[in-house]
Amino acid sequence: SQQGEEDPQALSIQEGENATMNCSYKTSINNLQWYRQNSGRGLVHLILIRSNEREKHSGRLRVTLDTSKKSSSLLITASRAADTASYFCATELIQGAQKLVFGQGTRLTINP
Amino acid sequence: NAGVMQNPRHLVRRRGQEARLRCSPMKGHSHVYWYRQLPEEGLKFMVYLQKENIIDESGMPKERFSAEFPKEGPSILRIQQVVRGDSAAYFCASSQGQGDGYTFGSGTRLTVV
Repeated sequence: SQQGEEDPQALSIQEGENATMNCSYKTSINNLQWYRQNSGRGLVHLILIRSNEREKHSGRLRVTLDTSKKSSSLLITASRAADTASYFCATELIQGAQKLVFGQGTRLTINP
Repeated sequence: NAGVMQNPRHLVRRRGQEARLRCSPMKGHSHVYWYRQLPEEGLKFMVYLQKENIIDESGMPKERFSAEFPKEGPSILRIQQVVRGDSAAYFCASSQGQGDGYTFGSGTRLTVV
């Protein structure tokens, strides 16, 4: 079964509104990372939050991590049309060889 | 400082042919990962390599698929006797090590006809 699962699968909001995406995972992690993918393109690393951190900011992005609930959220404030993309969370597991395990992603559409 | 370079960007192969996908990691990165992405899906881990070593190949099909990261030159993902189900985007990523963010290439889109 999936290590990371995003919620919602798709989100459509108006420009200027805030967008919140959630990610849940199953096993203990070293860190959790968020990536953006524009249609037909590669992934862009947005932010990394370590297991001992609870919140992190980068520009209009805010990421939280709750290891007790095994969940994370990505908040994009004051959304822009250019934020339209798919957003993936990925976890780096503690056990086993180092690698990222991706969720299915949230497709975010910002309407002008 | 070029990012992760993948080539070709697009590759079309007939069923039964071989596909070779190349990935040059970022300068200073010694860890390389290959992922496969089907349309409308997330990325599925295939293999993790360091120079001359396969560290984890748990996501790679046992048959027809192989990967290498030689001492010199790019990492190669090789798919022999391709089938239509191999059609996908294949992404390579590199990192400096555990706990670092990964840098992804633009991917190779393989189409098997």
